[in-house]
Amino acid sequence: QSVLTQSPSVSGAPGQRVTISCAGSSSNIGAHYDVHWYQQLPGTAPKLLIYGNNNRPSGVPDRFAGSKSGSSASLAITGLQAEDEAGYYCQSYDSSLSAYVFGTGTKVTVL
Amino acid sequence: QMQLVESGGGVVQPGGSVRLSCTASGFSIFNYGMHWVRQAPGKGLEWVAVISYNRRSEYYGDSVKGRFTISRENSEGTVYLQMNSLRAEDTAVYYCARDRDTYCSGGSCRGMDVWGQGTTVTVS
Repeated sequence: QSVLTQSPSVSGAPGQRVTISCAGSSSNIGAHYDVHWYQQLPGTAPKLLIYGNNNRPSGVPDRFAGSKSGSSASLAITGLQAEDEAGYYCQSYDSSLSAYVFGTGTKVTVL
Repeated sequence: QMQLVESGGGVVQPGGSVRLSCTASGFSIFNYGMHWVRQAPGKGLEWVAVISYNRRSEYYGDSVKGRFTISRENSEGTVYLQMNSLRAEDTAVYYCARDRDTYCSGGSCRGMDVWGQGTTVTVS
């Protein structure tokens, strides 16, 4: 069981905005450790989507935006597209565990 | 083109051992922390281990601590994961990944930006 909790699934119609939450605690996100987000398309390796809470690697569309507040983080996808249907994972560091941790994962479905 | 290629997966009996390799091309691993991440069938991602560029720091997830060892040979561009005392719950696809940080110690890792395609380990 992960220390970073995500809602199991979210869905939206093409063009809509969806938000994925990542709830942590005072030993990880709340301790100011960075949050990173990954997208995993079916049958493929994960891909870095957001690093350092709100930074996009080169090539990632600006439809994806990360934010962090207190002990939680969020990933927003605006202008949802069919190709965004994938699993999304947050990731941070937990000082109590002295380990890096992934969130439980969220499946995004495009209706 | 930057690439990581894992190898060494297969079927192993409970209690057995296996060593995974991850070889880089298109870049030198010397400047980067390197991770192993796994994904059990139908499950989410689980972080396994990380090693700093100079091998001075290693960190492990609780579920593998004391059984798995991460190592690296920068001159060969290769990262290894020695897996001992394997259990059924270690069955997973194992990915290696490059971190954007060099040291990756004490929470300083800055995101895994290059991933391999994964190698499957089945403990049965």
